[in-house]
Amino acid sequence: EPEVTQTPSHQVTQMGQEVILRCVPISNHLYFYWYRQILGQKVEFLVSFYNNEISEKSEIFDDQFSVERPDGSNFTLKIRSTKLEDSAMYFCASSIDRVRELFFGEGSRLTVL
Amino acid sequence: RKEVEQDPGPFNVPEGATVAFNCTYSNSASQSFFWYRQDCRKEPKLLMSVYSSGNEDGRFTAQLNRASQYISLLIRDSKLSDSATYLCAAHSGNTPLVFGKGTRLSVIA
Repeated sequence: EPEVTQTPSHQVTQMGQEVILRCVPISNHLYFYWYRQILGQKVEFLVSFYNNEISEKSEIFDDQFSVERPDGSNFTLKIRSTKLEDSAMYFCASSIDRVRELFFGEGSRLTVL
Repeated sequence: RKEVEQDPGPFNVPEGATVAFNCTYSNSASQSFFWYRQDCRKEPKLLMSVYSSGNEDGRFTAQLNRASQYISLLIRDSKLSDSATYLCAAHSGNTPLVFGKGTRLSVIA
């Protein structure tokens, strides 16, 4: 069964460092997403990406964040200068259609010290 | 404004019990609804989509009430393995998929 894969599974970084989280969406999906979940809180939308550009972003997704699809398979989330409050689980997801179900990767746990 | 609201629980039920969760949504333009299951520190996994006519998958039944803007999930004959957090999610064509905070279920032997 096709699945979304994410790397790394866990990353520990110092405050102010840049972090890149990587995702390989399901191959025939067209819409890609990043969500995050701070421990004990809800799954929050960050950004959606379609046709090689951002289609929607939340107020969380400020100038410190960027996304890229550098090749035909990878979808990355970059946090330019991490803050303590960026510590969370970051989930990548993909869907075949804008209103269809999303399929999530196993997540990348980011710990900022 | 909370877009998707759920009772956080926890719901503690014995094995074999029937349990129901409700979820309300505030965006009347929402057109797609889903229930996801999330185990501790894991990703949300799609449990079922919710159709206007309602749908059933084994022990799980989902219903949509557009007039009252809520969706429900019914779990029959609860198993220990059903213990998890159940996330309600909704979106319209113009908004991303929005999740509720989840309802925690513990099935007890």
